[in-house]
Amino acid sequence: RKEVEQDPGPFNVPEGATVAFNCTYSNSASQSFFWYRQDCRKEPKLLMSVYSSGNEDGRFTAQLNRASQYISLLIRDSKLSDSATYLCVVYGQNFVFGPGTRLSVLP
Amino acid sequence: DTGVSQDPRHKITKRGQNVTFRCDPISEHNRLYWYRQTLGQGPEFLTYFQNEAQLEKSRLLSDRFSAERPKGSFSTLEIQRTEQGDSAMYLCASSLRGTGALGSGNTIYFGEGSWLTVV
Repeated sequence: RKEVEQDPGPFNVPEGATVAFNCTYSNSASQSFFWYRQDCRKEPKLLMSVYSSGNEDGRFTAQLNRASQYISLLIRDSKLSDSATYLCVVYGQNFVFGPGTRLSVLP
Repeated sequence: DTGVSQDPRHKITKRGQNVTFRCDPISEHNRLYWYRQTLGQGPEFLTYFQNEAQLEKSRLLSDRFSAERPKGSFSTLEIQRTEQGDSAMYLCASSLRGTGALGSGNTIYFGEGSWLTVV
């Protein structure tokens, strides 16, 4: 089993839709969790950290469930510019990336 | 620009040649990481340094790969006797020590990557 797994995707959604991404991790000793965004042929960039109580940043909401070892990302009112690959990242002894879920927001 | 910088950005080499990539981290960051990414996959951890000490190496880092950070500032990643399977984007990232504590908000920041094509 891979250390970090994500929905396989791709997700194709219309503008304005709400979309949710799921991520599970296997190392129960993991300390920190993040979502990164990666555009085609570019480097990953931090989207948001994920805190225990859940956190929101504009249209983006991240949730963490330590008991289930599960992280989620919700994007509301999706925009064309949200089209990218979303990477779930887990920090234990180093930063481990999931395979990513590709999102295409269609006009 | 005070971000992570990598050089060269693109490299095409013949199989069997050696290649070297350089990474200059964010100046106040004392941890430096190397990752490799192929199409459709997430970045795979290769190795990381805290200052000049190489603290962890992935099993992915075969004996043809070597990384150094001699003075705790920039780092180099060398691949000897390149193979076609080495074709990938090599990403460097840096962070502050103590990064990763839940709630700290600290995380790693990537350079633009070095694309390697082995023909």
